[in-house]
Amino acid sequence: QQQVKQSPQSLIVQKGGISIINCAYENTAFDYFPWYQQFPGKGPALLIAIRPDVSEKKEGRFTISFNKSAKQFSLHIMDSQPGDSATYFCACSGGSNYKLTFGKGTLLTVNP
Amino acid sequence: NAGVMQNPRHLVRRRGQEARLRCSPMKGHSHVYWYRQLPEEGLKFMVYLQKENIIDESGMPKERFSAEFPKEGPSILRIQQVVRGDSAAYFCASSPAQFSGNTIYFGEGSWLTVV
Repeated sequence: QQQVKQSPQSLIVQKGGISIINCAYENTAFDYFPWYQQFPGKGPALLIAIRPDVSEKKEGRFTISFNKSAKQFSLHIMDSQPGDSATYFCACSGGSNYKLTFGKGTLLTVNP
Repeated sequence: NAGVMQNPRHLVRRRGQEARLRCSPMKGHSHVYWYRQLPEEGLKFMVYLQKENIIDESGMPKERFSAEFPKEGPSILRIQQVVRGDSAAYFCASSPAQFSGNTIYFGEGSWLTVV
């Protein structure tokens, strides 16, 4: 049973465009929703995160939109740059709060 | 300001051999987590340890896998009698206290290849 479903699996965007990645979860006990960025051969690094008391959080070019009733959240990357090309993972945690449940990842390619 | 250090970064083992992966948490961090990333998959939680204690090993396979975090030295993930399906990237993460959001940091991973 996949608790966190992430889409699309891969995404190609032109430089300057908007990249949108979506995640859906099932467990209503989840209360922390981070996005991680991973470059080839590297570990995942926290990009931005949101808790369910807000519907949107923005940090620079990165925005999380959160829909609690639909149990969905998404990552928007504005003005996408070639340096943003990486794999992005959504994740959830809650309850015990130390166990992150990850989506399968989205490979983003930003063409120059 | 060293981050989470993992070694070896790459490890090749023949089927039936043992693999030992080491993780030194960030300075001041006493909580360690191990995750496994299979090809084309997201990371999956394996185990959560504090110094000398296994807190949660619910994600560890029942056989052949073990983890420790001794009072002195790095945390070690040990895989006995490796099989091809163990080929994966193993990531260690650490936090200063029980994970509470943005306090967890991942290492760069150990890539295990079983031939």
